[in-house]
Amino acid sequence: DAGVIQSPRHEVTEMGQEVTLRCKPISGHNSLFWYRQTMMRGLELLIYFNNNVPIDDSGMPEDRFSAKMPNASFSTLKIQPSEPRDSAVYFCASSLDTGSQPQHFGDGTRLSIL
Amino acid sequence: EDQVTQSPEALRLQEGESSSLNCSYTVSGLRGLFWYRQDPGKGPEFLFTLYSAGEEKEKERLKATLTKKESFLHITAPKPEDSATYLCAVQAKGTYKYIFGTGTRLKVLA
Repeated sequence: DAGVIQSPRHEVTEMGQEVTLRCKPISGHNSLFWYRQTMMRGLELLIYFNNNVPIDDSGMPEDRFSAKMPNASFSTLKIQPSEPRDSAVYFCASSLDTGSQPQHFGDGTRLSIL
Repeated sequence: EDQVTQSPEALRLQEGESSSLNCSYTVSGLRGLFWYRQDPGKGPEFLFTLYSAGEEKEKERLKATLTKKESFLHITAPKPEDSATYLCAVQAKGTYKYIFGTGTRLKVLA
């Protein structure tokens, strides 16, 4: 079975540029999560969608960050304009529901902002 | 405030040397405790879910246990391929959020 698919795997860009990260959740999963992982702060939840609707975006650090989920099989996380402090690994995860079903993670996008 | 603390931060074992990783938690009603394994350059890989004190789960050389305050991940006769970072996360009742610990970096030497 296909897991969570993220693209690109690596992104290097200059500050001020727009960055778009993409995620395809596991088919049939109705909850989707975007996380950011850094050495200093570990895994932080940025935003959570349920049935394609954003439920909680309180973890989004600034207005420069936005996320969409236009359908059940696709989500994007956009940073505009990007800054060096946005450099991190961004993970997407999905789960069957928001009960105690485990979240399944993609392999992440390693983002470097120069 | 919900909190998860993992110890030790790093652990080096010889192949075959059994040990345990600790995950201490404070949560207002536990819905579930999750163990993940993360290899370099990869996303966290789900291992176990534990729901209530006294519960145990096993998978190959790994065994996870749960009390009201902590969980242990026991590694029996580890092999070099068990080297990874092991993450613990808790989910409180009535929420969807996971609170992750900072992980234990395990290195098993041949």
